[in-house]
Amino acid sequence: ETGVTQTPRHLVMGMTNKKSLKCEQHLGHNAMYWYKQSAKKPLELMFVYSLEERVENNSVPSRFSPECPNSSHLFLHLHTLQPEDSALYLCASSQDTGSSPLHFGNGTRLTVT
Amino acid sequence: LAKTTQPISMDSYEGQEVNITCSHNNIATNDYITWYQQFPSQGPRFIIQGYKTKVTNEVASLFIPADRKSSTLSLPRVSLSDTAVYYCLVGTYTGGFKTIFGAGTRLFVKA
Repeated sequence: ETGVTQTPRHLVMGMTNKKSLKCEQHLGHNAMYWYKQSAKKPLELMFVYSLEERVENNSVPSRFSPECPNSSHLFLHLHTLQPEDSALYLCASSQDTGSSPLHFGNGTRLTVT
Repeated sequence: LAKTTQPISMDSYEGQEVNITCSHNNIATNDYITWYQQFPSQGPRFIIQGYKTKVTNEVASLFIPADRKSSTLSLPRVSLSDTAVYYCLVGTYTGGFKTIFGAGTRLFVKA
């Protein structure tokens, strides 16, 4: 399937674990994003990459570390998370960071125990 | 950043036309208006985008009055599968990092 693919779909981790979320887009887009969606809360923008350079970091705790090795791949490295970090983590891409619509993946449901 | 206000929820019946209005009083000259649809445990899906007047595609229409302080998403003949949360976004970077998602409108379509 073309579009934006996120793996894994579900992840359970302890507070001392280190894990990574992966996102891949097959749309030839130049911008990629990480969003967090907690229960009963709006989507929160975490990070934005344009042409593999980070252009936005919305005061996200350092226990979340993004990586964008190329324009098709985006990672979110997780370490020493807290239970309140449990949420749906969504990756998105767009042609550019202008008015182009976002294309989202189906997210990774993260549970921190 | 333009703030948006939408109804929290709406109910409808299959086959009806549904209109969801979004208020954005402080929209800027360069801002676009974009609507997304989200099903549970899925990422939002782009529906339609406009700047002024009316835009129509295969799934919806978007009506924007001349003052652009509001917009209305129109879904013709909804079905049960249209039950979802609908988000209105306003911003110059509507595809990107200046976009703020509000709480959205939860549409429930009944048989």
